[in-house]
Amino acid sequence: KQEVTQIPAALSVPEGENLVLNCSFTDSAIYNLQWFRQDPGKGLTSLLLIQSSQREQTSGRLNASLDKSSGRSTLYIAASQPGDSATYLCAVRGGDDKIIFGKGTRLHILP
Amino acid sequence: DAGVTQSPTHLIKTRGQQVTLRCSPKSGHDTVSWYQQALGQGPQFIFQYYEEEERQRGNFPDRFSGHQFPNYSSELNVNALLLGDSALYLCASSFAGGTYEQYFGPGTRLTVT
Repeated sequence: KQEVTQIPAALSVPEGENLVLNCSFTDSAIYNLQWFRQDPGKGLTSLLLIQSSQREQTSGRLNASLDKSSGRSTLYIAASQPGDSATYLCAVRGGDDKIIFGKGTRLHILP
Repeated sequence: DAGVTQSPTHLIKTRGQQVTLRCSPKSGHDTVSWYQQALGQGPQFIFQYYEEEERQRGNFPDRFSGHQFPNYSSELNVNALLLGDSALYLCASSFAGGTYEQYFGPGTRLTVT
């Protein structure tokens, strides 16, 4: 059974710092991994999608990496801004098409 | 290009009642997935619909059922509501012939009293 863990559960950093969010999964037989952000009480916004055959994806200040063999993905945020404050979720799509989410990391950027 | 839309935005029901939530996928998408998100938790996969059939299902009881229409829109039905069904219900759409990247709607907040 696939399990997805995100560490840390919460993080507060000063504006301008670079930071890394972690996502680990127990079953390496995945189809893809997707990172989302969620603002309080809102739906999810897709940030980056990494296919199982890829190692990383970049979009602006965001970079996501995937290491299937070790069951890990990281989301790197460069030069953090107060507008980056949100909950960040990773979701793994398995070969059985089931999508499993982690519980998220609550990120607070201090002005 | 309209994204994923859901209705209603908020809903209050009484324990034991039945509820229907609706979702319209992003233009060009043919697959709809439903999720339940309790406060402070990640979304939990309920089921996925493709070609009007349930393709995958998570660990949810039969009280949770769904339907997909020929225009790819979808409904989530929950019978015999329990207090524990109070949550944000999210719909996501994707295109089966592509990368399966999911796009989410704003959600329906269901409160069971």
